[in-house]
Amino acid sequence: AQSVTQPDIHITVSEGASLELRCNYSYGATPYLFWYVQSPGQGLQLLLKYFSGDTLVQGIKGFEAEFKRSQSSFNLRKPSVHWSDAAEYFCAASEGGNKLTFGTGTQLKVEL
Amino acid sequence: GAVVSQHPSRVICKSGTSVKIECRSLDFQATTMFWYRQFPKKSLMLMATSNEGSKATYEQGVEKDKFLINHASLTLSTLTVTSAHPEDSSFYICSAPFPGVGNEQYFGPGTRLTVT
Repeated sequence: AQSVTQPDIHITVSEGASLELRCNYSYGATPYLFWYVQSPGQGLQLLLKYFSGDTLVQGIKGFEAEFKRSQSSFNLRKPSVHWSDAAEYFCAASEGGNKLTFGTGTQLKVEL
Repeated sequence: GAVVSQHPSRVICKSGTSVKIECRSLDFQATTMFWYRQFPKKSLMLMATSNEGSKATYEQGVEKDKFLINHASLTLSTLTVTSAHPEDSSFYICSAPFPGVGNEQYFGPGTRLTVT
């Protein structure tokens, strides 16, 4: 069955430190891959997406993600975290733009 | 960028009543929209796919008679929670795929439903 896994439920980093959020997928073929961020009580905002081509994808707010086919991974990174980055992060996948399958989310806490 | 709105943002209703939530794509047309439910500190669970001009497609375990979906136009889908009970209290989010490569989805801001 198709699935998206985010192994880390909670992550805490210090402001200014680097960040990596893990995401693995299980699909028959390479799906479209997305990272979304959700602030409390809010909807989801798209950070970045991968459809094809360059495996290093740049997104908004200084985020980037790298697609690694051999590892079925699409990890999200940021070189220097800001306090305002504290939120819930969701990795998601879809086949050809159909319904999304979400990971369970990673709650990011930023220590000042 | 593309915008999806939801109305209302918050609603409190009494047990046994029905509540309608609207999802609109403001600057693009969407023949398909998706309805999700999110429990506290949990991921999004797809409830159903709303199809303009035809019946909605419900995910396994979702009661279609309880969660009525109507895709009235290319920019509007509604979710009606019928005979609401406290266990229906949740955060409901809709999304609409933007036409193009990958049909990237845009999400509404969500509706917080509390049933008392």
